[in-house]
Amino acid sequence: DQQVKQNSPSLSVQEGRISILNCDYTNSMFDYFLWYKKYPAEGPTFLISISSIKDKNEDGRFTVFLNKSAKHLSLHIVPSQPGDSAVYFCAASLEYGNKLVFGAGTILRVKS
Amino acid sequence: NAGVTQTPKFRILKIGQSMTLQCTQDMNHNYMYWYRQDPGMGLKLIYYSVGAGITDKGEVPNGYNVSRSTTEDFPLRLELAAPSQTSVYFCASRTRYSNQPQHFGDGTRLSIL
Repeated sequence: DQQVKQNSPSLSVQEGRISILNCDYTNSMFDYFLWYKKYPAEGPTFLISISSIKDKNEDGRFTVFLNKSAKHLSLHIVPSQPGDSAVYFCAASLEYGNKLVFGAGTILRVKS
Repeated sequence: NAGVTQTPKFRILKIGQSMTLQCTQDMNHNYMYWYRQDPGMGLKLIYYSVGAGITDKGEVPNGYNVSRSTTEDFPLRLELAAPSQTSVYFCASRTRYSNQPQHFGDGTRLSIL
C-alpha cells in the first residue's frame, strides 16, 4: 500500500527549461511534505518543504506546489541546470516532520 | 561540520552473521532515524528515537534492534543476517521542533550472501 507515489520513474529536460516533478499521496492526514535530492553514493539532501496549511513555497530556482483537494504535490525547477541531474524523492509526514513516508523517486536528467 | 556520519560505508556479511551499523551526529539533534532503501524503492523507516533512552518501531523493524544511550549515537544492530536485509541503510537526524527536515548520512551499503 503505497501512500506516496511518484509515477514517473524518469524525466529528461533541456538545460534552461522547466523541470516539473510530480507526487501523489493517499493519506489526507499528512501535514508536512518535503523534496529531497540524491546523488549516487550519497545520502538524500533536503531541498524544499511545505506545510499542509500552505499551497506554495519558493526557494530560489525551486518551487513546491501543494494541491490538497487532489492530494498532489509538484516540484518546479526553473531554469534547470545540468547539476540538477539526480534522483528526486517526495516525502510526507504525519507528525510535522517525524516518520517520513517516501515515494520511489524520479530520476531527472538535464541535458546541456 | 560533519553532520550525520555512518560507518562502515560498505560491508559484506554471511547469512547468520550479526553486525552493528554505526551512526553519530554532531548537531545536538534529539530525533534520529534509520531507513533502508531497496533498489527502485523509496526509503522505509526501520526504527526511530526521540531522545536518549527512547526508541520506537517504524514500518519495517523485524530483524533489527536499536539503542540510544547518548544524544549523538544511534546504532542499528542486525542479528542473524538474512539475504532480505541486503540494502542501503541511511541514518538521519532532526531537531525536536515541528516541520523541520531530516538530515541524512551517506549510507551503508550492506550485502548478505
